[in-house]
Amino acid sequence: AQTVTQSQPEMSVQEAETVTLSCTYDTSESNYYLFWYKQPPSRQMILVIRQEAYKQQNATENRFSVNFQKAAKSFSLKISDSQLGDTAMYFCAFYGGATNKLIFGTGTLLAVQP
Amino acid sequence: GAGVSQTPSNKVTEKGKYVELRCDPISGHTALYWYRQSLGQGPEFLIYFQGTGAADDSGLPNDRFFAVRPEGSVSTLKIQRTERGDSAVYLCASSPDRGGYNEQFFGPGTRLTVL
Repeated sequence: AQTVTQSQPEMSVQEAETVTLSCTYDTSESNYYLFWYKQPPSRQMILVIRQEAYKQQNATENRFSVNFQKAAKSFSLKISDSQLGDTAMYFCAFYGGATNKLIFGTGTLLAVQP
Repeated sequence: GAGVSQTPSNKVTEKGKYVELRCDPISGHTALYWYRQSLGQGPEFLIYFQGTGAADDSGLPNDRFFAVRPEGSVSTLKIQRTERGDSAVYLCASSPDRGGYNEQFFGPGTRLTVL
């Protein structure tokens, strides 16, 4: 069975600095997708960034980028120039073709300090 | 356009009662998912619809939980004989089709509290 592990329950970063959130996963599938979702207090899950496993190039979306290490089954999120609005829970998620559903980690609560 | 909407946003009920939670997906999205998020946890998959049919209901915890999507758009999650352990946020998501390349768009969730 697929599992997603986020080992950092909470993180804190100063405004304008860079922070990296960790995620590891386990799967026997070769084709899958990995995601980072943001969940602010409003509860609305918002997609931050997506990575296709077959792509070697790391995905980037403005201030957000990932470090995808397929062999190590690691998928970390780097947030550059952190902003107060980045304060939220961040969830790493896995989607495999054999399961057709998102499997989430337990989340990392990120606090951006002014 | 409008996103995924869920009603009610909050529901308080007593143990043993029946509840219905509604999800209105984005128009035209054929795939619809229900997840349950307990306090301090990530969302956990409950059921997935492709069109009107439940393609995967392996996440439903027991037979007190049931979901329908009769016309392939709106979905209702039904919980019978609610228990205190059912208290959680129930999230709905829709996507244009199944597959990881299709983004799942989430609604704001329904917070269910069973007293």
